[in-house]
Amino acid sequence: DGGITQSPKYLFRKEGQNVTLSCEQNLNHDAMYWYRQDPGQGLRLIYYSQIVNDFQKGDIAEGYSVSREKKESFPLTVTSAQKNPTAFYLCASSISAGTYEQYFGPGTRLTVT
Amino acid sequence: EDKVVQSPLSLVVHEGDTVTLNCSYEVTNFRSLLWYKQEKKAPTFLFMLTSSGIEKKSGRLSSILDKKELSSILNITATQTGDSAIYLCAVNAGNNRKLIWGLGTSLAVNP
Repeated sequence: DGGITQSPKYLFRKEGQNVTLSCEQNLNHDAMYWYRQDPGQGLRLIYYSQIVNDFQKGDIAEGYSVSREKKESFPLTVTSAQKNPTAFYLCASSISAGTYEQYFGPGTRLTVT
Repeated sequence: EDKVVQSPLSLVVHEGDTVTLNCSYEVTNFRSLLWYKQEKKAPTFLFMLTSSGIEKKSGRLSSILDKKELSSILNITATQTGDSAIYLCAVNAGNNRKLIWGLGTSLAVNP
């Protein structure tokens, strides 16, 4: 079965700690994306990667970092510099960047206290 | 600034009703418009509309792109409780290849 997996489903952290969210896909997609979803604000793009070893900042990249060392994997680190990290995080992928539909993983709900 | 606006923000109907959801956009260099359904977790892809494919249909769901009016509608006929979800609209525009998302329409279908 092809798809996108994110782990864990729920994550709890103390303020001041960095945390890494996992995203893996076996769809052989070149492009991958990280979004944040907050109530009433829709989906906001954090980072995206069009190809391995390359990534670009989205609209709200401050306080986040990513890597794309393998085609299948695009982990997101939420650093202590992110002011309001509590949110629902969605990873997506598409065949390539451009006019292709994006497919989403199940999401990770991060709570920082 | 590129933007996508969906209306209404929320809607409550009874099973069997027909609903029409709206998505309007103001973007540079329009490439495509996408509709997604989001229940509790991940958005699932419904349709993609482009200049060469302005109408799509799947079962009780259909969508039309009006490039002149810079908008799209998503129709759901004979609604069922399982249609209850947030429906998201996104537009692919410009050279940076990012999707610009609307806030969504929350649809509740009551039995």
